[in-house]
Amino acid sequence: GESVGLHLPTLSVQEGDNSIINCAYSNSASDYFIWYKQESGKGPQFIIDIRSNMDKRQGQRVTVLLNKTVKHLSLQIAATQPGDSAVYFCAENQEYGNKLVFGAGTILRVKS
Amino acid sequence: DAGVTQSPTHLIKTRGQHVTLRCSPISGHKSVSWYQQVLGQGPQFIFQYYEKEERGRGNFPDRFSARQFPNYSSELNVNALLLGDSALYLCASSLPGQSVLANEKLFFGSGTQLSVL
Repeated sequence: GESVGLHLPTLSVQEGDNSIINCAYSNSASDYFIWYKQESGKGPQFIIDIRSNMDKRQGQRVTVLLNKTVKHLSLQIAATQPGDSAVYFCAENQEYGNKLVFGAGTILRVKS
Repeated sequence: DAGVTQSPTHLIKTRGQHVTLRCSPISGHKSVSWYQQVLGQGPQFIFQYYEKEERGRGNFPDRFSARQFPNYSSELNVNALLLGDSALYLCASSLPGQSVLANEKLFFGSGTQLSVL
């Protein structure tokens, strides 16, 4: 079936640098995308979302970019901090309601 | 405000047994969804309940069932447990929307870690 995938399973960045986590999706009909952060022993924490009628959305230190032409999603984290270390998932909503399809995840490691 | 709460946090069962997992949504949330997360993978959709009715079901066998109560809390039941059912079971609730068809932010609990021996 169609799925959401991530290019890089592990990303290591220096504290203070910017991080970019990428995600490819295959269902062109998906119209809602979300990024989640999951720390060890916790459930996924909502970071930011974007609908397909937008190309970019900004939050606090985070920006999500959506390129529908190549079906690509990215999460940018500015001034990465040690507390940003976690697994990051992109997810798409392929159907109505809350049936999210998650990618495999990217581990972000922040070096001090 | 309390977030999504799940109980128990950890559970150990043996093959063939039955398990019931519980979830309380954020106050005011009417939709509850269940996800299974196997180690090293992203969560997989199991069920969605809205206003006490099943609104969506993922690709899971009939051994998996769920229900939602009048206070919007929910239970996930798994019968005849298999080793492969070992996973983190996540419950998520969403903001009340105008329609169950709307895309809404999901807020997850910390999950129940189920180990089947």
